[in-house]
Amino acid sequence: GEQVEQLPSILRVQEGSSASINCSYEDSASNYFPWYKQEPGENPKLIIDIRSNMERKQIQELIVLLDKKAKRFSLHITDTQPGDSAMYFCAASVNNAGAKLTFGGGTRLTVRP
Amino acid sequence: DTTVKQNPRYKLARVGKPVNLICSQTMNHDTMYWYQKKPNQAPKLLLFYYDKILNREADTFEKFQSSRPNNSFCSLYIGSAGLEYSAMYLCASSRLGGNYAEQFFGPGTRLTVL
Repeated sequence: GEQVEQLPSILRVQEGSSASINCSYEDSASNYFPWYKQEPGENPKLIIDIRSNMERKQIQELIVLLDKKAKRFSLHITDTQPGDSAMYFCAASVNNAGAKLTFGGGTRLTVRP
Repeated sequence: DTTVKQNPRYKLARVGKPVNLICSQTMNHDTMYWYQKKPNQAPKLLLFYYDKILNREADTFEKFQSSRPNNSFCSLYIGSAGLEYSAMYLCASSRLGGNYAEQFFGPGTRLTVL
């Protein structure tokens, strides 16, 4: 089955700087790549996703990049704020019946004021 | 209402005893999922229902059961809990049908087996 690796597992940045999280996958059939943010005591929430027909997508301060050839995708948070501190999970999925998500191991992001 | 509800939020169980966790959603989603998450590990898919069809992952096939009596409810059943079942159990739902479907997650049930 699909395997997703996510790095780094811990990331600490200064407020106002950028944060980058990188993921790689193995199954070339994967075609949907969501990113989830989980705050303490809360359930994971989708913050941005990218499909295999795109290379770049931006929603406000969130940018995701997809390199299908290298089987890598990444999340970049520009101008980080303390409220961005959370656990972030990348995932990969093949869009068929069930659309099972395979998650990366997670990145704990801390934004220092 | 785009929330997925889970009951209970915390569950204490004894080794060898059964455990039943409940999930519900009112978004008329056709697919409901159960994930197991342990500290410092990724959420791991255990099984999912696509409509009335249950799909269980090969490596957890015999450890977990599930039922979906109607579109809104889905349960996760452990017949005999072991210490290794202590984890957070996350339920999610989505609407498929050819689209890249966002999965909405519930708050989770933290199961502790003693």
